[in-house]
Amino acid sequence: EAQVTQNPRYLITVTGKKLTVTCSQNMNHEYMSWYRQDPGLGLRQIYYSMNVEVTDKGDVPEGYKVSRKEKRNFPLILESPSPNQTSLYFCASSLSGQGSDTQYFGPGTRLTVL
Amino acid sequence: GENVEQHPSTLSVQEGDSAVIKCTYSDSASNYFPWYKQELGKRPQLIIDIRSNVGEKKDQRIAVTLNKTAKHFSLHITETQPEDSAVYFCAATPSPYNFNKFYFGSGTKLNVKP
Repeated sequence: EAQVTQNPRYLITVTGKKLTVTCSQNMNHEYMSWYRQDPGLGLRQIYYSMNVEVTDKGDVPEGYKVSRKEKRNFPLILESPSPNQTSLYFCASSLSGQGSDTQYFGPGTRLTVL
Repeated sequence: GENVEQHPSTLSVQEGDSAVIKCTYSDSASNYFPWYKQELGKRPQLIIDIRSNVGEKKDQRIAVTLNKTAKHFSLHITETQPEDSAVYFCAATPSPYNFNKFYFGSGTKLNVKP
């Protein structure tokens, strides 16, 4: 089954404790992206990747890191989480990142930073 | 960067009525405008999209119109049904050459009353 998976789905952590949220897709998509969703703000893009080893900042990259060492995986790293990073995070992928390609979203990761 | 504004934030209609959600954007270079539907607790899913060389696109009960001069685009849902109840997000991508960066509106919560 074609899908985008994220782990963990729920995470409660404390300020400053490094964490990684994994994202994986099995559709051989070139483009992958991370968003955060906050009430009243919609979805805001954090980072995106056009292909292996090619990443770029979205609208709200501060406090986040990403890597794209393999085509299928695009982990989101929070080196020193802070309470303002409490949010619902979505990973997404599309075939090539071109306008004709549908973005498929993962199930989301709800992160709480105390 | 791009700024996408979406109105209204909430919309309540009677089953069978039409619903219209409007978005404006600021970057005249934007040329791809997708709409996503997010049901409660679920991931966003693409429902329709439009490119800047097209003024209107229709898919069964859903249509999207684009006015490039005024920099706004709208989602129209006719003959609404209770299963249309969800949060709808518009988005815009500013690059005319590839569609890497996405900017989302803040969302519209649509409630269709039986």
